Amino acid sequence: EAGVAQSPRYKIIEKRQSVAFWCNPISGHATLYWYQQILGQGPKLLIQFQNNGVVDDSQLPKDRFSAERLKGVDSTLKIQPAKLEDSAVYLCASSPTHRNTEAFFGQGTRLTVV
Amino acid sequence: DQQVKQNSPSLSVQEGRISILNCDYTNSMFDYFLWYKKYPAEGPTFLISISSIKDKNEDGRFTVFLNKSAKHLSLHIVPSQPGDSAVYFCAASGNQFYFGTGTSLTVIP
Repeated sequence: EAGVAQSPRYKIIEKRQSVAFWCNPISGHATLYWYQQILGQGPKLLIQFQNNGVVDDSQLPKDRFSAERLKGVDSTLKIQPAKLEDSAVYLCASSPTHRNTEAFFGQGTRLTVV
Repeated sequence: DQQVKQNSPSLSVQEGRISILNCDYTNSMFDYFLWYKKYPAEGPTFLISISSIKDKNEDGRFTVFLNKSAKHLSLHIVPSQPGDSAVYFCAASGNQFYFGTGTSLTVIP
């Protein structure tokens, strides 16, 4: 079974530029999560989708971050404009259930904003 | 507000001995707990979980203990192996997953 795929693996951009990350969850997984992990901290939820609907986006900085999950499969996370403090690893995860009992993570995208 | 805490940033253990990683949480409404293992440059990998209706779950060398009255869980690895060297995150589940800050385990050959 293929795992969660993310791209790119690494991205370096200047502040005020925009960037987009892509995630392809495990086939058949209805729930998709985007997490932000800052160095030395645990992953923090940005947004959770159930199929193509948003379940929780309370911690998404909506003035600069946006995410979509068209057709309930792939998802993109965008930052526009980026700030220095957005430097982090962005992790995508998926789950076959909606009950938050398991989540399978991709390798992440390491973003550096300079 | 950190709802899940791992107070030990690092732990070193001799190969063959027991590794004990600890985690505390603040919200008594959490109903599911998980441990993840993370190698450098990789995403977290699910290791073991436990429901709040249980106090112990075992899977091979890994055992998770849950003490609800103390709001504490621990992961025991016996015997520890060099390949277990990684960062371990505990997570608690409510309306979402809440992660601790991780404990870096080093198993010394």
